This record gives sequence, C-alpha cells and structure tokens, in this order.
Amino acid sequence: ETGVTQTPRHLVMGMTNKKSLKCEQHLGHNAMYWYKQSAKKPLELMFVYSLEERVENNSVPSRFSPECPNSSHLFLHLHTLQPEDSALYLCASSQVRGGGTEAFFGQGTRLTVV
Amino acid sequence: GENVEQHPSTLSVQEGDSAVIKCTYSDSASNYFPWYKQELGKRPQLIIDIRSNVGEKKDQRIAVTLNKTAKHFSLHITETQPEDSAVYFCAAGRKGNKLTFGTGTQLKVEL
Repeated sequence: ETGVTQTPRHLVMGMTNKKSLKCEQHLGHNAMYWYKQSAKKPLELMFVYSLEERVENNSVPSRFSPECPNSSHLFLHLHTLQPEDSALYLCASSQVRGGGTEAFFGQGTRLTVV
Repeated sequence: GENVEQHPSTLSVQEGDSAVIKCTYSDSASNYFPWYKQELGKRPQLIIDIRSNVGEKKDQRIAVTLNKTAKHFSLHITETQPEDSAVYFCAAGRKGNKLTFGTGTQLKVEL
C-alpha cells in the first residue's frame, strides 16, 4: 500500500494496558504528525516531528509518548489511558518547505479504552 | 498560536444548490490554506488549497477565496451532488508546516 499506513485499524485496551500505534509513510516526506479526532475536538494536533526531531507537543498528557525512529516511521506509545482518550488517532505526513504544504493522512486507528 | 474558526458546523442544501463554508484565522504569518473532505469512516483528503499570494482558486465545482486583510477564507461548492455530503475542514499553515484545523462542517446534500 502506498501513502500513509496505520496499524492497527482498531484497538480496544484496558486502562492498565500498554499498547503502541504505528504509522508508516511511503511518500518520502520529512515531517510526520499525530492528530486526535473526537466528537469534542474534530482534528486536534498532538505531536509534530520534523526531520525526526519533535518540534511540537501540544500539551499532551504524558500517558501518550511518541517515537520517531526515522523519517518514515512514527509510533504512539500508550499507557494507563483513560476512557476519555477513546478516539480516532490519525497520522499524517508532509514535505516541509518554506511555506505550508499538503498533509497526507492515514486511515486512522479507532481506539477504545475500557 | 494560530486559531482557526469555522462556520457553520452543519449545513444542509438541496441537490444542485450552492454551499459556502467560511473560516477565519488569527496568525498573520499563515500563508497556506487547504480544505479537506472527510467522508464517513475515511481519512481526510485534500480537495483544494490556496496560498497567500492568490485571492481565488477554482477547480471545477469547487472554489476557494482568501481575504488576507480580513484573515478569512471560504469554500464554495456549486451544483452540489449527494456525493458531496461529508465533513469539510479548513486549515491554516505557515513555515514549518504546522496545520491548524477548523472544527469542521457537516455538509448534507439532500435529494
């Protein structure tokens, strides 16, 4: 599959579990993002990685821990989540230039915390 | 930081009518304004974008206008069809490519 791929597509986890979301982009982009999509905040930026360095963390609780081992892969490590963390987690990538450019989204991981 | 407001949150139109969605932004440094369409159960996908050196851009039935002075931009869909039903997001971006999204507009095109 080309573009941005996320796994798993669906995840159900208990509040004491530890799980990871994976994102892979095949577009040669140099920036990757995690977004949270819920009914309350439709597209909320969580983390930005540019050239494999985290350049932004939008006051996200420490129970979410991102990792970007290289420009093609992005992970979101989850531990001791709360039911209100249930949402669709979208990964995106883009090619950072002088100005803004299009972000390409993955299909998302539908997370349910029980 | 950037703040993007989007209106309306829901919009119902009859097939064949036009639909207009409006957004305002706060950061004068923003220079890139994309619009995304998200169909139910699918990922957001870019449908049109505009840069700050252009006032209007058109692609078949969709068009976007930008007023930099007033810091607002709009999406116009003409001759709406049922397949246009989706959630539409505006966004504002700047150097470094951080995109700040609006809260979305649920568009419903009724037969």
